[in-house]
Amino acid sequence: AQTVTQSQPEMSVQEAETVTLSCTYDTSENNYYLFWYKQPPSRQMILVIRQEAYKQQNATENRFSVNFQKAAKSFSLKISDSQLGDTAMYFCAFMSPLIQGAQKLVFGQGTRLTINP
Amino acid sequence: GAVVSQHPSRVICKSGTSVKIECRSLDFQATTMFWYRQFPKQSLMLMATSNEGSKATYEQGVEKDKFLINHASLTLSTLTVTSAHPEDSSFYICSASPSGESYNEQFFGPGTRLTVL
Repeated sequence: AQTVTQSQPEMSVQEAETVTLSCTYDTSENNYYLFWYKQPPSRQMILVIRQEAYKQQNATENRFSVNFQKAAKSFSLKISDSQLGDTAMYFCAFMSPLIQGAQKLVFGQGTRLTINP
Repeated sequence: GAVVSQHPSRVICKSGTSVKIECRSLDFQATTMFWYRQFPKQSLMLMATSNEGSKATYEQGVEKDKFLINHASLTLSTLTVTSAHPEDSSFYICSASPSGESYNEQFFGPGTRLTVL
C-alpha cells in the first residue's frame, strides 16, 4: 500500500520569506499523481499544485513550485514570497493512476504552516 | 471551477440518533464521490468510495452498517451516520471527481462538523 510521510508537523516563517515543506512517499508504481493541498482555518481543502509522475519537469503555480525527485520518492513544496494568507495546514497526497481502478487519494499527516507578520 | 457543497455545515445530535449528510456537485456530474473523516489536528482518512448506481466501497475498519452511503444520482451522495455515539463526533468531508475526465481530480466540499452529545 502507498504511504505518504510529512516529517514536519509545524513550520513558521516571516512574511516574504521562502519556505519548503517536505514530503516523501512509498509506492511500487511507475505512473501516479502527486498533490499538495492547503487547508486554511475554514477547513476547505484547496488544491495548490499537482505533478504527474511521468513528467520530469517540476510543476509551478505562481509562488508555488515543487521539487519532484522520482527516484528518491520525494515531493517537496516551495512557497516563495510567503504571505499571511498562506497560513494553513498543508497536505501532501498521492493518487494511483486511472487504469488501476479507484483513484483514491492517500494523504500525509500534514504540516501546519504559520506565516508571521 | 468545479463546486461541491455539503449540507449541513454543522450538526449536533443526541446519542443514538441518525444523521444524514449530503454532498452535491453543483456544476458537474460525478460518477465517483469520496467520504473522508478528519479528527482535530489530524489528516483526512478515507472512509469510503461512493459510485453512482452501485454499492459503496468501504475502507478497512469502516463499518458499512454504521456509515450508510447512497449515491443515487450523478450529483448527489449521502452519508448517514446511524445510531451515532460521541466517538463519531468528527469533521466529515466529501469530494467529487468529474465524470469522463482523463484523470480524476477531486473537488472537495466545505465539510460537516458532527457533534454527538
